[in-house]
Amino acid sequence: EAGVAQSPRYKIIEKRQSVAFWCNPISGHATLYWYQQILGQGPKLLIQFQNNGVVDDSQLPKDRFSAERLKGVDSTLKIQPAKLEDSAVYLCASSPLRSTGELFFGEGSRLTVL
Amino acid sequence: KNEVEQSPQNLTAQEGEFITINCSYSVGISALHWLQQHPGGGIVSLFMLSSGKKKHGRLIATINIQEKHSSLHITASHPRDSAVYICAARRGTGNQFYFGTGTSLTVIP
Repeated sequence: EAGVAQSPRYKIIEKRQSVAFWCNPISGHATLYWYQQILGQGPKLLIQFQNNGVVDDSQLPKDRFSAERLKGVDSTLKIQPAKLEDSAVYLCASSPLRSTGELFFGEGSRLTVL
Repeated sequence: KNEVEQSPQNLTAQEGEFITINCSYSVGISALHWLQQHPGGGIVSLFMLSSGKKKHGRLIATINIQEKHSSLHITASHPRDSAVYICAARRGTGNQFYFGTGTSLTVIP
């Protein structure tokens, strides 16, 4: 079974530039999550999709972050314009819909904003 | 206050020691997950628990639903066990997860 795919693995940009991350979840997983993980902290939910609908985006900084999951499969997370404090690892995860389904993570996309 | 609290935050052990990492949560859950994260690597799921105890090799995870507490034990620890261990509570509804801040484990040869 293929895992959660993310790209790019690493990205370095200057502040005020834009960046986009891509995620392809495990086939058949209805729920897709984007998390931000700052060094030394646990993952923080940015947005949760169920199929192509948004379940929770309460912690997404909507003035600069956007995400979409067209067709309910793969997803993109965009940051525009980036700030220094956006430097973090952006983790994509997916899970089946059932309440006892496991959570699978991608390798993450490490963003450095200079 | 975080919905999920882990302790200790950092842990250093000698190779061969028995290790315990604790997790307490305050929300109603359908499952409790233990995750492992190596430096520069992604997060791997170790266990998913809704009751009792699970064992995989040298790793054992337990959960006490009444006390809202879970523990991860590592027997005969090895330097390759060095990683960050994260506890995540899955809410009873809504497929949402609450994460602890992680326990950074270093096992010294």
